Amino acid sequence: AQTVTQSQPEMSVQEAETVTLSCTYDTSESDYYLFWYKQPPSRQMILVIRQEAYKQQNATENRFSVNFQKAAKSFSLKISDSQLGDAAMYFCAYRSGRVRFGAGTRLTVKP
Amino acid sequence: EAQVTQNPRYLITVTGKKLTVTCSQNMNHEYMSWYRQDPGLGLRQIYYSMNVEVTDKGDVPEGYKVSRKEKRNFPLILESPSPNQTSLYFCASSLTARGYNEQFFGPGTRLTVL
Repeated sequence: AQTVTQSQPEMSVQEAETVTLSCTYDTSESDYYLFWYKQPPSRQMILVIRQEAYKQQNATENRFSVNFQKAAKSFSLKISDSQLGDAAMYFCAYRSGRVRFGAGTRLTVKP
Repeated sequence: EAQVTQNPRYLITVTGKKLTVTCSQNMNHEYMSWYRQDPGLGLRQIYYSMNVEVTDKGDVPEGYKVSRKEKRNFPLILESPSPNQTSLYFCASSLTARGYNEQFFGPGTRLTVL
């Protein structure tokens, strides 16, 4: 079965600095999709960025980018120029039929 | 406004008392899904539905039932709730089951079973 692992339960970053959140997954499938979601204190799930496994180019959305290493089954999220509003829980997710989420990383942004 | 709605948002109940959490979407999405979120475990998929009358088990279906009689609605039924079903529940929908389609999440339902 596919599994998603986020090895950093908590991370901290200084405002305006860059932080990278890690995610690894395990699968035997070749066609799948990967996502990063943000969950602020409001509990709303917000899509941050997504990546198709067959695309080698790393996805980018403004200050958010991913480092997708398919062979290593790694999908890390880089947040540049961190802002106070980036403070939240971040979940990595895998989708191919079923959807599986990692346990999450709580990001704190220090002013 | 395109959205996924859930009701109720908060519910406290007792063991064994049947309950239903409703989920509705107004985006004509084919795919709908239920998740539960627990600390340290992230979100786990309970059931999902590819389309009307088509449902399938996720990773943690025990103790839950669903039905998809209409495209817009996907209620979650707990026939005999137990304390281990105390959790935060999310309903989500996407245009199709294709992996690339973004899932839109409801606001969540906080359930406490005493």
